[in-house]
Amino acid sequence: GQQVMQIPQYQHVQEGEDFTTYCNSSTTLSNIQWYKQRPGGHPVFLIQLVKSGEVKKQKRLTFQFGEAKKNSSLHITATQTTDVGTYFCAGKENTGFQKLVFGTGTRLLVSP
Amino acid sequence: DSGVTQTPKHLITATGQRVTLRCSPRSGDLSVYWYQQSLDQGLQFLIQYYNGEERAKGNILERFSAQQFPDLHSELNLSSLELGDSALYFCASTRTGEGNTIYFGEGSWLTVV
Repeated sequence: GQQVMQIPQYQHVQEGEDFTTYCNSSTTLSNIQWYKQRPGGHPVFLIQLVKSGEVKKQKRLTFQFGEAKKNSSLHITATQTTDVGTYFCAGKENTGFQKLVFGTGTRLLVSP
Repeated sequence: DSGVTQTPKHLITATGQRVTLRCSPRSGDLSVYWYQQSLDQGLQFLIQYYNGEERAKGNILERFSAQQFPDLHSELNLSSLELGDSALYFCASTRTGEGNTIYFGEGSWLTVV
């Protein structure tokens, strides 16, 4: 079945440093979504990418969808302590009515 | 507030017991998902319902079952509970289920002792 892996599993940065998490799917995706889960909270939708090669920005966050629609990345510029949490990508296969499969997640810790 | 309501928020029960977790999706959402998240783990997809019918199944144990009722609320039944079933169970909903944004409830914390 479809598998979605994320790397790194965990990253600890100093406030102000940049951070990137990578998401790789074993199958071609029709779209990719990104979610953030704060410690003790529930996942919250950040963004959805649909087109091959698409790039979207949300303030300090930049999201990319790969040309082959099998990978994606989330880059945070100049991290802040409020960025702490686990970031999940979630992909839907490009065939039929399929479930949304979540990636393994990247846990980000930001020290002041 | 995502609009997805889950009850109970916390539950402690003994091994071998049976519990039911309840979920009310956002108003108008037809699709409900159930996910399991163990401590410091990712989101494991359990099952999806769409307008009362099962649409997709993930790594759901035979001891677990779910259903979606005509009013679109859903229940996840966990039976013969084991210590390893202790986890945070999320319900999520979406308008149609076809790759739309899904909205998560705050989860039900289950502790099996």
